[in-house]
Amino acid sequence: DAGVTQSPTHLIKTRGQHVTLRCSPISGHKSVSWYQQVLGQGPQFIFQYYEKEERGRGNFPDRFSARQFPNYSSELNVNALLLGDSALYLCASSNRQTTGKVTQYFGPGTRLLVL
Amino acid sequence: DQQVKQNSPSLSVQEGRISILNCDYTNSMFDYFLWYKKYPAEGPTFLISISSIKDKNEDGRFTVFLNKSAKHLSLHIVPSQPGDSAVYFCAASASNTGKLIFGQGTTLQVKP
Repeated sequence: DAGVTQSPTHLIKTRGQHVTLRCSPISGHKSVSWYQQVLGQGPQFIFQYYEKEERGRGNFPDRFSARQFPNYSSELNVNALLLGDSALYLCASSNRQTTGKVTQYFGPGTRLLVL
Repeated sequence: DQQVKQNSPSLSVQEGRISILNCDYTNSMFDYFLWYKKYPAEGPTFLISISSIKDKNEDGRFTVFLNKSAKHLSLHIVPSQPGDSAVYFCAASASNTGKLIFGQGTTLQVKP
């Protein structure tokens, strides 16, 4: 079975532009979470979706938004890009609802560079 | 406020010896703890987890110990292999949220 897939793998944008990152969860997984990892730090939680509904949001500005589709894939959108948005964006999926002792499995990430 | 801390940025160990990676947390609501391994240009790979109702969980060469009173957990790798060289992240979650809170990571180098 395929793991979590993300596209694109790399992306270069300029300040002020908009970006859309995509994620497909492990087959059968209904929960998707997004994380941002800046160099030298651990991943930071951005959003969590389960059954197409937002179930959690981290401390990120409103420029960040996401959605989950009926097939459980997900998009992360970032508007008005800033240099500080340069990071590795990770998607994780899990097979149960978002609360409880649930293991999340990560994709390879999308490396975003904002110039 | 760093709720999960890995105070050792790096660790170097000889092949065949034990690697011990440490993690401290501050939030008493955390009840599930995980370790992930990350190679450059890849996403984190799940290694092992432990629930707060246990104090030890073992999976092959990997053992995680949890000391709730000290709010401390550790990952033991025995024996260490060169392929274990990677960045190791400790993560924690609380049942009422499900989101993972990560430490800063520890870079493990296993020398042949």
